[in-house]
Amino acid sequence: DAGITQSPRHKVTETGTPVTLRCHQTENHRYMYWYRQDPGHGLRLIHYSYGVKDTDKGEVSDGYSVSRSKTEDFLLTLESATSSQTSVYFCASQQGAGNTIYFGEGSWLTVV
Amino acid sequence: QKEVEQNSGPLSVPEGAIASLNCTYSDRVSQSFFWYRQYSGKSPELIMSIYSNGDKEDGRFTAQLNKASQYVSLLIRDSQPSDSATYLCAVNRGSQGNLIFGKGTKLSVKP
Repeated sequence: DAGITQSPRHKVTETGTPVTLRCHQTENHRYMYWYRQDPGHGLRLIHYSYGVKDTDKGEVSDGYSVSRSKTEDFLLTLESATSSQTSVYFCASQQGAGNTIYFGEGSWLTVV
Repeated sequence: QKEVEQNSGPLSVPEGAIASLNCTYSDRVSQSFFWYRQYSGKSPELIMSIYSNGDKEDGRFTAQLNKASQYVSLLIRDSQPSDSATYLCAVNRGSQGNLIFGKGTKLSVKP
């Protein structure tokens, strides 16, 4: 298994508060991703990174920002959490384009 | 048209039978194809990857790819109750790194 850890694993927060989820990988993978998974929608890409300080938007990026200052860390920030952002968030990493993507254990976020 | 489509199921098969899971994709430049298994409350884990037309076998699992038909399938032989999970098809488009996932097919293997 790829060494990908997410923190926090579970969080309950109030509407309007900022939230940051952290992803840490020890595989020296170039690519990192943040997905959200919701019933009826499957896994949807929020943002991804193809190198330090190189990030791009996915299909559901509104309300989210990311940062990657080191190869091993990829942060996802909800600037002002809303109830529609209640979801399970998965971080993933990949050595290179076309290679296997490995997932972290997931972060369960509830916005009340 | 959805980029990656799967039947949501549930697909129910008896123990020992062959389970057949199907996936179609819309982008002809797709080059890499993956099947992930996800147990309830857990993260997706890779079962198979396939890159060229034809069949690829790994134990009880066989992935089949037909790029002309834009179709990829996963066969599970001698299905076991422990195979009960949601199976996600994922497609990697061209030179882009990210995967596009189908919504998954829920498989139930009855003892």
